[in-house]
Amino acid sequence: QQQVKQSPQSLIVQKGGISIINCAYENTAFDYFPWYQQFPGKGPALLIAIRPDVSEKKEGRFTISFNKSAKQFSLHIMDSQPGDSATYFCAATGNTPLVFGKGTRLSVIA
Amino acid sequence: NAGVTQTPKFRILKIGQSMTLQCAQDMNHNYMYWYRQDPGMGLKLIYYSVGAGITDKGEVPNGYNVSRSTTEDFPLRLELAAPSQTSVYFCASSYDRTYEQYFGPGTRLTVT
Repeated sequence: QQQVKQSPQSLIVQKGGISIINCAYENTAFDYFPWYQQFPGKGPALLIAIRPDVSEKKEGRFTISFNKSAKQFSLHIMDSQPGDSATYFCAATGNTPLVFGKGTRLSVIA
Repeated sequence: NAGVTQTPKFRILKIGQSMTLQCAQDMNHNYMYWYRQDPGMGLKLIYYSVGAGITDKGEVPNGYNVSRSTTEDFPLRLELAAPSQTSVYFCASSYDRTYEQYFGPGTRLTVT
């Protein structure tokens, strides 16, 4: 019940396209849903986060969509750029420490 | 602010040796965490701490020990290193559970 299931495992997107990564969870006690971005050889860094009282949060080209009833949330990257090529992790926390998805390796090709 | 610092950056251990991975943060964060990340895999929580003197096990605590005597420092001890402990280790800190976790640069450990 503590798992966060992330898909796809890898994603290739054309420059300028939309990247979509999905996550699903079971624990209804989760109350904070961040996305982390990790470049090779670096530690993860917070990209954007959402709490369940809103259905969408947008920061620049990055948007989180949250569906509480379906227990799903997703990251949309608009106008994807080669510099967005990285591994993305969804995560969730409730009454336990942050639980991470297994990650999605995004490659944006020109 | 230096943020979260980790030492060493790289280390090779022989099977059965022990070592301590150092982690320090200068942001006065209450929460600190140790993760391991195997190649191409996600992050697995080893131990975490919600404040000085308080530690708790994460998902994969076996073979590791931690202590938190100050707010700033959270060392991770490996006893009797095994090849299965070959991984990249990340330390992180946050103000609270639902606040941003700041990660250190990682320690790449190889056990042979």
